Amino acid sequence: KNEVEQSPQNLTAQEGEFITINCSYSVGISALHWLQQHPGGGIVSLFMLSSGKKKHGRLIATINIQEKHSSLHITASHPRDSAVYICAVRSGGTYKYIFGTGTRLKVLA
Amino acid sequence: GAVVSQHPSRVICKSGTSVKIECRSLDFQATTMFWYRQFPKQSLMLMATSNEGSKATYEQGVEKDKFLINHASLTLSTLTVTSAHPEDSSFYICSAKIGPDEKLFFGSGTQLSVL
Repeated sequence: KNEVEQSPQNLTAQEGEFITINCSYSVGISALHWLQQHPGGGIVSLFMLSSGKKKHGRLIATINIQEKHSSLHITASHPRDSAVYICAVRSGGTYKYIFGTGTRLKVLA
Repeated sequence: GAVVSQHPSRVICKSGTSVKIECRSLDFQATTMFWYRQFPKQSLMLMATSNEGSKATYEQGVEKDKFLINHASLTLSTLTVTSAHPEDSSFYICSAKIGPDEKLFFGSGTQLSVL
């Protein structure tokens, strides 16, 4: 079992739909990142969370430390949101990250 | 604009040759760079952590002599795949940690294909 699990693995949505991507982890963490990887491969960090909730535009990220769970929500989804979304956690005092396998999102027009 | 510049974006080489991948931090000093490898539809796997002016720390199972990492300056880290073989074909990507914050900046990645 991976230390960081994401669900779903693949997701197809219609434009405008509300999307939720989940991340569960089994280790104690000091920080969790949500990353976006576009088809070309480049990766952008969307959020860094250690507690609570963050919002940026149409994106919302939440984390529940007790339940070891984080969610990434996309409101009013758009085809340009199509990408792979990756959850990454930092455990311990180093800056080594453990990555989930990603959720492949496709938003249809 | 890009905070971390990675080159080349794509390289095709013959088996047995060496390939160098560069990651440059733009407008900031990256004391620590991370090098990852990613196979198709799989997660990023950390290969090594490089600190400026010191030897890289390699993850278990990563051959130091095959994947040479040099972090000679605060703005440049390089990964050299020596005597590349087809099984080294993969997507390689670097990231930099900037300052005391948790901000991560990634290069655009290098797709290596070894024939």
